[in-house]
Amino acid sequence: EPEVTQTPSHQVTQMGQEVILRCVPISNHLYFYWYRQILGQKVEFLVSFYNNEISEKSEIFDDQFSVERPDGSNFTLKIRSTKLEDSAMYFCASSRRTNQPQHFGDGTRLSIL
Amino acid sequence: AQKVTQAQTEISVVEKEDVTLDCVYETRDTTYYLFWYKQPPSGELVFLIRRNSFDEQNEISGRYSWNFQKSTSSFNFTITASQVVDSAVYFCALSAGYAGGTSYGKLTFGQGTILTVHP
Repeated sequence: EPEVTQTPSHQVTQMGQEVILRCVPISNHLYFYWYRQILGQKVEFLVSFYNNEISEKSEIFDDQFSVERPDGSNFTLKIRSTKLEDSAMYFCASSRRTNQPQHFGDGTRLSIL
Repeated sequence: AQKVTQAQTEISVVEKEDVTLDCVYETRDTTYYLFWYKQPPSGELVFLIRRNSFDEQNEISGRYSWNFQKSTSSFNFTITASQVVDSAVYFCALSAGYAGGTSYGKLTFGQGTILTVHP
C-alpha cells in the first residue's frame, strides 16, 4: 500500500540553525500538509498546500517557516532559524482531495539544542 | 472556532474488556467531517475512520465501532474485546466539509486519549 515517507526520522540541530524536513507524499495525492506534535501534546496543524501554493496556515506558521514542492515528488518544510520551542515531532500528510482521509508519514523528531 | 474535546486523558483496561473513547466537538460549520486516528507507541498516525456530518449511521469494523450523535455533538469510539495491541493514543479530529468553512481541509485534533490494555 502506498505510503507517505519522511526523512530524516530524527534531526538534531543547534538553535539558530536552518533545518529542512523532507516528505514524499503518496503519488496521486494533490493536497499536502504539515502538522507538529510537541511531546505529550495534541497534533497541531501548521500549513496546507495545493497547486503549488499555500492554501491555509496557522498562527504557528510564522515567517521562520516555509514550504516548497521543489519537484514532482518532494514536499519540504524549512525552518529558517530554529528555536528551542521548535522541538517537536513533525508530521507530513497527504490526501487525494480536501476532506479525503489524510495519510500521515511516520514523522521527523526535531530536537533543538 | 473549531474545537475537539477528549475528556478522558488516560484509560486502563484489562484484555477482553470493552472500552469507549469519548469525543465531543464544536463547530459553526453546517457540513463537516469527523475522524479518528490511532498513534501506537512507535509514533505514526494511523487513519481509522472518516464520517461526514450528514451520515449519522453508526459504523462497525471488526472490533471497532463508532457512534455519531449530532444532537450531542459527539463521535464516540468503542473497542470491543480489547487486545494488548490496541494500546495507543487515540485522537479524534474535525475538519470543515466545504470551501470557506472554518477549517476546510485542515484537521483540528483533540488532546488524545491514552489507552493501555493490560494482559
